[in-house]
Amino acid sequence: DTGVSQNPRHKITKRGQNVTFRCDPISEHNRLYWYRQTLGQGPEFLTYFQNEAQLEKSRLLSDRFSAERPKGSFSTLEIQRTEQGDSAMYLCAFKGRGTGELFFGEGSRLTVL
Amino acid sequence: QKEVEQDPGPLSVPEGAIVSLNCTYSNSAFQYFMWYRQYSRKGPELLMYTYSSGNKEDGRFTAQVDKSSKYISLFIRDSQPSDSATYLCAMSATNQAGTALIFGKGTTLSVSS
Repeated sequence: DTGVSQNPRHKITKRGQNVTFRCDPISEHNRLYWYRQTLGQGPEFLTYFQNEAQLEKSRLLSDRFSAERPKGSFSTLEIQRTEQGDSAMYLCAFKGRGTGELFFGEGSRLTVL
Repeated sequence: QKEVEQDPGPLSVPEGAIVSLNCTYSNSAFQYFMWYRQYSRKGPELLMYTYSSGNKEDGRFTAQVDKSSKYISLFIRDSQPSDSATYLCAMSATNQAGTALIFGKGTTLSVSS
């Protein structure tokens, strides 16, 4: 049990299409994060939500990327006009209460052809 | 120079060996250090979380932090084939909610029976 459920687990799409990933925390987590991991690299921070407010955004999050967390529960990450360079694992994570520990979901893998 | 350097390996050891995994970093402000284990096509799983310098032990795993040398290590005793995975180090300057973790590239470990 990773504490978050991510869907879809794997998405194959053609260049130029839009894709959306969803993250559902299993229990209430007010601090939710999105990271991206490309092949052979460690995860890189994309964005952070405190409840429904998006408080931090990395410069990696170009204007083709948008993330939302309506009502502070589940979160979505949408990528518009996908490019081959968007191929990566998109990871949702939450921070433990009162600690700095970050717990990741299983990830959603994107392949752009 | 990247903020966090980690030898990608691969590292191959026989079952029962002691494994040493290491990361170096350049930002002296880092105070929170983590080790994650990641199996193929899965999300990273938190193994160890330490603050500042010193050692922390959990079962077969020991994490060491040497802030004066900007060097962290993870030791695995009595390694098992199930330990075969990629090990990622991660660190941050604070444990505040909006702080991004900075990851190494990961070291791939293979333990043969």
